[in-house]
Amino acid sequence: GNSVTQMEGPVTLSEEAFLTINCTYTATGYPSLFWYVQYPGEGLQLLLKATKADDKGSNKGFEATYRKETTSFHLEKGSVQVSDSAVYFCALPNQAGTALIFGKGTTLSVSS
Amino acid sequence: DTAVSQTPKYLVTQMGNDKSIKCEQNLGHDTMYWYKQDSKKFLKIMFSYNNKELIINETVPNRFSPKSPDKAHLNLHINSLELGDSAVYFCASSPGTGLVEAFFGQGTRLTVV
Repeated sequence: GNSVTQMEGPVTLSEEAFLTINCTYTATGYPSLFWYVQYPGEGLQLLLKATKADDKGSNKGFEATYRKETTSFHLEKGSVQVSDSAVYFCALPNQAGTALIFGKGTTLSVSS
Repeated sequence: DTAVSQTPKYLVTQMGNDKSIKCEQNLGHDTMYWYKQDSKKFLKIMFSYNNKELIINETVPNRFSPKSPDKAHLNLHINSLELGDSAVYFCASSPGTGLVEAFFGQGTRLTVV
């Protein structure tokens, strides 16, 4: 079935540093891919998505490109802020398309 | 207006008790879910309902029983609570089968003592 693997954290950065969180997937076909963010004490929010190969999703300075050649959907941000400290989840639909499967989450901590 | 709301936000209870968590969405979505997040932040699907019909029932103990009185509500009842049930439970909804971009509630932190 479909699955997703993302880099283990925690990731600790200084403010204005460059961020990359790696995500690779295994899937039948070319499903939509998602990044969700969970701020402390809150639920998950959709950060960005890409619905087909070579699409780039972007939001709040974050970007991720759907690369079918490398089966990857890495999350990047050019200059992180303290307010970006959160847990980030890569996700894709299960094989039946009936629910999302999440990676294990990557905790990002940004210090000033 | 909260899109997906679940109550209570915190629940502390003793082993052996029965408890319920309620969830409501005002997005007009057809599909609702319950996810469990463990202490390591790992999220796993438990149940999914589409238009009040059960479509996903993962390997979850029978002590967990979802109920969907209408497509805007999906409640979770847990019998005979165990220490290992302590987790954060998230309700979510999505527009429909195949459109799985999910909108999440704030979560219910269940602590069994």
